[in-house]
Amino acid sequence: EVKLVESGGGLVKPGGSLRLSCAASGFTFTNTRMNWVRQAPGKGLEWVSSVSAANSYFYYSDSVKGRFTISRDNAKNLVFLQMNSLRAEDTAVYYCVRDKGGSWPYDAFDVWGQGTLVTVSS
Amino acid sequence: DIVMTQSPDSLAVSLGERATINCKSSQSLLYSSNNKNFLAWYQQKPGQPPKLLIYWATTRESGVPGRFSGSESGTDFTLTINDLQAEDVAVYYCQQYYTTPHTFGQGTKLDIK
Repeated sequence: EVKLVESGGGLVKPGGSLRLSCAASGFTFTNTRMNWVRQAPGKGLEWVSSVSAANSYFYYSDSVKGRFTISRDNAKNLVFLQMNSLRAEDTAVYYCVRDKGGSWPYDAFDVWGQGTLVTVSS
Repeated sequence: DIVMTQSPDSLAVSLGERATINCKSSQSLLYSSNNKNFLAWYQQKPGQPPKLLIYWATTRESGVPGRFSGSESGTDFTLTINDLQAEDVAVYYCQQYYTTPHTFGQGTKLDIK
């Protein structure tokens, strides 16, 4: 079964840091670009960041550039999102998402985790 | 950034009828190398993560019922749901994956009339 399981969410004060993890299973992880997408409470979807299959290319939305860092461990089938200088507007459910594969250079998102909630509040 | 604009923001359709959701991109999503539009449609039910319905604007994802279809005309895209079922109540999003940032439409909430 193809699965993505996020962890690491929680309550953090403004200016604080948090590291999200995503454990992937059931597919060839090293072949697939991975992404983070977030959804603020009651709002729509916002793409946050992507990392190439080989962990060599990194992409960020302007809203998180310079504060968030995406990475992956292909030996352990893990994706990470290091979030620094957190703001209230970063409060959201963060989804780990897989590229469908088979399209170049980018692809649709075919597998989503259940998400982990990050709340930034004093 | 490419702006994705969906219409309407919400709609209510009777069971068994057709629902139509529109999405317009601020620039072309057509990739010249394969002549495909890099446009996807997702369905999100309450309390659940989104689910991929359509990719390349018109290709149905495996396992998605045949009543869901996507069409394209330039920078205008449409998701059509025929024979609306109660389980189709959800918010629907379009998304471009032509370039980063991979922007989403604002969402269209679909209810039963």
